[in-house]
Amino acid sequence: KNQVEQSPQSLIILEGKNCTLQCNYTVSPFSNLRWYKQDTGRGPVSLTIMTFSENTKSNGRYTATLDADTKQSSLHITASQLSDSASYICVVSDRGSTLGRLYFGRGTQLTVWP
Amino acid sequence: EADIYQTPRYLVIGTGKKITLECSQTMGHDKMYWYQQDPGMELHLIHYSYGVNSTEKGDLSSESTVSRIRTEHFPLTLESARPSHTSQYLCASSESTGSHNEQFFGPGTRLTVL
Repeated sequence: KNQVEQSPQSLIILEGKNCTLQCNYTVSPFSNLRWYKQDTGRGPVSLTIMTFSENTKSNGRYTATLDADTKQSSLHITASQLSDSASYICVVSDRGSTLGRLYFGRGTQLTVWP
Repeated sequence: EADIYQTPRYLVIGTGKKITLECSQTMGHDKMYWYQQDPGMELHLIHYSYGVNSTEKGDLSSESTVSRIRTEHFPLTLESARPSHTSQYLCASSESTGSHNEQFFGPGTRLTVL
């Protein structure tokens, strides 16, 4: 069964600190993995995308890593800001269908305190 | 920012009412999707479309229906709303090819059925 598991479920950090979010998946055949940021009451917005051959991708203070062998990914946020408070969702796409089905994790709810 | 819009953003209605959630995109994307998301849970695909006159049911069974008469519009209808339909509904679109199947999400409609 294709699944995406994220940890931790929630995380509270102080402004300026770093944090790392984890994602494990069992989706096969694998196409790509994205990290989305979803602000409360809004739709998800893509932060990074990685294909099978990529093991790291950065977008400003966000750095994602991918280990396709162990089927694990992480999202590292450096120098956190209050605006980073959101849900971060790991999304894995398969290449076994014309639809390009997406499999969503439940997200990690990050709260940044001043 | 993605050019995909949803109206209304918030809707509170009584049981038994018929409602239509609107979704439109100006990116010329062929593929469109409807997801349902409950708090703290993953997004579940309820409907999708490959293009005009194409509609398919997703992974999660839903009593809602959709139509795709025009490329840019993908409305979702509930003939008789019930409290169990209370949820957030997210619309998304993507290109047919390339872009690693990136889906662009609208802001969502928060539906509450009393």
